[in-house]
Amino acid sequence: QKEVEQNSGPLSVPEGAIASLNCTYSDRGSQSFFWYRQYSGKSPELIMFIYSNGDKEDGRFTAQLNKASQYVSLLIRDSQPSDSATYLCAAPAGNMLTFGGGTRLMVKP
Amino acid sequence: SQTIHQWPATLVQPVGSPLSLECTVEGTSNPNLYWYRQAAGRGLQLLFYSVGIGQISSEVPQNLSASRPQDRQFILSSKKLLLSDSGFYLCAWSEGTPQETQYFGPGTRLLVL
Repeated sequence: QKEVEQNSGPLSVPEGAIASLNCTYSDRGSQSFFWYRQYSGKSPELIMFIYSNGDKEDGRFTAQLNKASQYVSLLIRDSQPSDSATYLCAAPAGNMLTFGGGTRLMVKP
Repeated sequence: SQTIHQWPATLVQPVGSPLSLECTVEGTSNPNLYWYRQAAGRGLQLLFYSVGIGQISSEVPQNLSASRPQDRQFILSSKKLLLSDSGFYLCAWSEGTPQETQYFGPGTRLLVL
């Protein structure tokens, strides 16, 4: 089992819809979780982090954490074509931050 | 504020040639430094990380090596490039433990022909 798993996609949503991106992790001791966005040909950029169970909102983005189920998700409300990118989830595994393979999101006008 | 630089931005090299990629970080002291490789359409592969000058941990055995000659400088090298070394090379830094937030440089796109 991979330490941080994501569905590779592509996830296709229409403009204005809610995009839901999911991530599972294996290290029950993980305390912090991160979402990165990577546009094609560019480097990953941090968009959100979450430490506590529940929801964390930042503009159109909401991160949700369920430690009991070892599950992290990212919701993007009112999706825009500019949100089309690969979204990487990251969580600690052992003594390192470990990245999932990423989910490619396509927002269609 | 902290900034991270990588150069060159793109590189085309023949098989068997040497490689040197450089990464520098500004605005922080004693950062953790990382080298990743990303093949086209694939995830991040951690190659090396360093928690201090002269301290390098290798995650993947291969023909690449890394060095950290100064606190905020991280160099990725190879004596002889292989076709399979092609990819997008990313340097990243973090503070505190290696479990903390990582910030990525702009990357170097390497094509080995």
